[in-house]
Amino acid sequence: QQQVKQSPQSLIVQKGGIPIINCAYENTAFDYFPWYQQFPGKGPALLIAIRPDVSEKKEGRFTISFNKSAKQFSLHIMDSQPGDSATYFCAASDSWGKLQFGAGTQVVVTP
Amino acid sequence: NAGVTQTPKFQVLKTGQSMTLQCAQDMNHEYMSWYRQDPGMGLRLIHYSVGAGITDQGEVPNGYNVSRSTTEDFPLRLLSAAPSQTSVYFCASSPVPTMGEAFFGQGTRLTVV
Repeated sequence: QQQVKQSPQSLIVQKGGIPIINCAYENTAFDYFPWYQQFPGKGPALLIAIRPDVSEKKEGRFTISFNKSAKQFSLHIMDSQPGDSATYFCAASDSWGKLQFGAGTQVVVTP
Repeated sequence: NAGVTQTPKFQVLKTGQSMTLQCAQDMNHEYMSWYRQDPGMGLRLIHYSVGAGITDQGEVPNGYNVSRSTTEDFPLRLLSAAPSQTSVYFCASSPVPTMGEAFFGQGTRLTVV
């Protein structure tokens, strides 16, 4: 079974909207929680990552919120643009770098 | 900067055939891994290596073999292809400690008929 559960499967927002993707995990041994962005025909690329002792991290228009007690984390894309249309994966990493991925969320930002 | 290079990009195999997916990285990373990506299932770890001569199984290793004779190369072998192995395969490399960061290749789309 998937150790990292991700929702929703897909979402559509208008330009300027804020898509929110949620993830939950079970294994408390994970020590980093990255988000990856994937465009069609390409490999995933690291977008932003957070440690479990940090509650929020921002990089540009991307923000991760982390709730350690609930074992949940989420990605917010502020002021979304059509170029942000992609598939987003949350993941959890152990100390050796083994990644457990969520199922992915396809985000479409309409002009 | 080449990064992680995978060959071939596309491949069609008949059931029972064997083949090797190639992966090479030029970043001198110790950690390398293979994932398969299937719709609705994210990426699942097949095999990984923490350095030359050291490999271990991931989540879905059955039907696949790996070896790591050099830091740069990490080939994935399909022993006897089955239709269930139709997927997109990604190779990745990571610095150690990884901090959750992996550099992925462009992928190999494999179809087994």
